[in-house]
Amino acid sequence: SQTIHQWPATLVQPVGSPLSLECTVEGTSNPNLYWYRQAAGRGLQLLFYSVGIGQISSEVPQNLSASRPQDRQFILSSKKLLLSDSGFYLCARGVTDGYTFGSGTRLTVV
Amino acid sequence: KNEVEQSPQNLTAQEGEFITINCSYSVGISALHWLQQHPGGGIVSLFMLSSGKKKHGRLIATINIQEKHSSLHITASHPRDSAVYICAVSGTYKYIFGTGTRLKVLA
Repeated sequence: SQTIHQWPATLVQPVGSPLSLECTVEGTSNPNLYWYRQAAGRGLQLLFYSVGIGQISSEVPQNLSASRPQDRQFILSSKKLLLSDSGFYLCARGVTDGYTFGSGTRLTVV
Repeated sequence: KNEVEQSPQNLTAQEGEFITINCSYSVGISALHWLQQHPGGGIVSLFMLSSGKKKHGRLIATINIQEKHSSLHITASHPRDSAVYICAVSGTYKYIFGTGTRLKVLA
């Protein structure tokens, strides 16, 4: 099984509040893990990817950070949310035969 | 110019029609993916291909590596096919996504 668990499904947070989105994966060990964001009406944008525990690569400068404390856990965080952080966040794992996505978190910053 | 371009951006079809969605890319790739995103946001991987053609049910995906072009075909379209179809290309670790084609199939 290559299942990805992502929560929460929806989240409404005030500007300036912290954020923590968690993603856990099942299946083969040492997966490549990704965080994507999809702003309204736009395509998926890669935010971070990780090839192993503690290894994080950032694709775009932003208000967010990511951590991988365990092999199958990938966390997206922010200390202070901005209005522009609103969007649909997807966790994904890359495998040799394809790409598996979590169900996503719809974040609205108000 | 985006590295992955899809066309059309929006498509409305009548049930039963044959549908084609196109994807062109400008970078070297190891594979090309077709994804389906439903209104709730969930994404399902439809195909991963690096050459030739793949078929799954009423869906067919083709790729021409020389021309850097791929097509997704849906035969005998149905309202449940209504979704956003996304083309993505992959390199070593990273994926580059097209902005998607929003398909609506009317009964």
